[in-house]
Amino acid sequence: GAVVSQHPSRVICKSGTSVKIECRSLDFQATTMFWYRQFPKQSLMLMATSNEGSKATYEQGVEKDKFLINHASLTLSTLTVTSAHPEDSSFYICSALGGANSPLHFGNGTRLTVT
Amino acid sequence: AQSVTQLDSQVPVFEEAPVELRCNYSSSVSVYLFWYVQYPNQGLQLLLKYLSGSTLVKSINGFEAEFNKSQTSFHLRKPSVHISDTAEYFCAVSLSGYALNFGKGTSLLVTP
Repeated sequence: GAVVSQHPSRVICKSGTSVKIECRSLDFQATTMFWYRQFPKQSLMLMATSNEGSKATYEQGVEKDKFLINHASLTLSTLTVTSAHPEDSSFYICSALGGANSPLHFGNGTRLTVT
Repeated sequence: AQSVTQLDSQVPVFEEAPVELRCNYSSSVSVYLFWYVQYPNQGLQLLLKYLSGSTLVKSINGFEAEFNKSQTSFHLRKPSVHISDTAEYFCAVSLSGYALNFGKGTSLLVTP
């Protein structure tokens, strides 16, 4: 069964609104979580790395004020797309790591459509 | 920076035929290499990985990949595919083993 739960699986929102995506580790404590974005026919692009209790590390070119990441507990990380625009429409995927020698588990992704 | 190129966006193949999904990487330092599979409406699952040691790595469902440093490749192969192998396959590279850079993916379509 799934060990990382991502919610919602699909969301449609209006331009200018904010959307929160949750990533939960179900049966382990995730010290580190990663957020990816995938455009159609494109690679999964790493957006940011978040460690529990500290600020996320964003990849070059990713706007940290637009994509707010919070990793407040060892089982939950959230990605908030603020003031969403149609160009933010994409597939967002999280992954979670339990520790240095643990496997990396992926969520099922969230399809965001901004109208 | 590390990057991955998956040369084929789609690979159609008949059931029980062999298949090779190509992956080339670019890096100036030693890296870890991965293949992930994504079945329809599901998340990514690790298929196999190369960290060090033997350059030929195998998965439990018959796939294998060979790390070729001189050709900077990590092609995925299976001698006989099944309908159930139909999925999206992603090659990935990483310095740490966790923060992954993915290729664009190859859609494997197995038909009877």
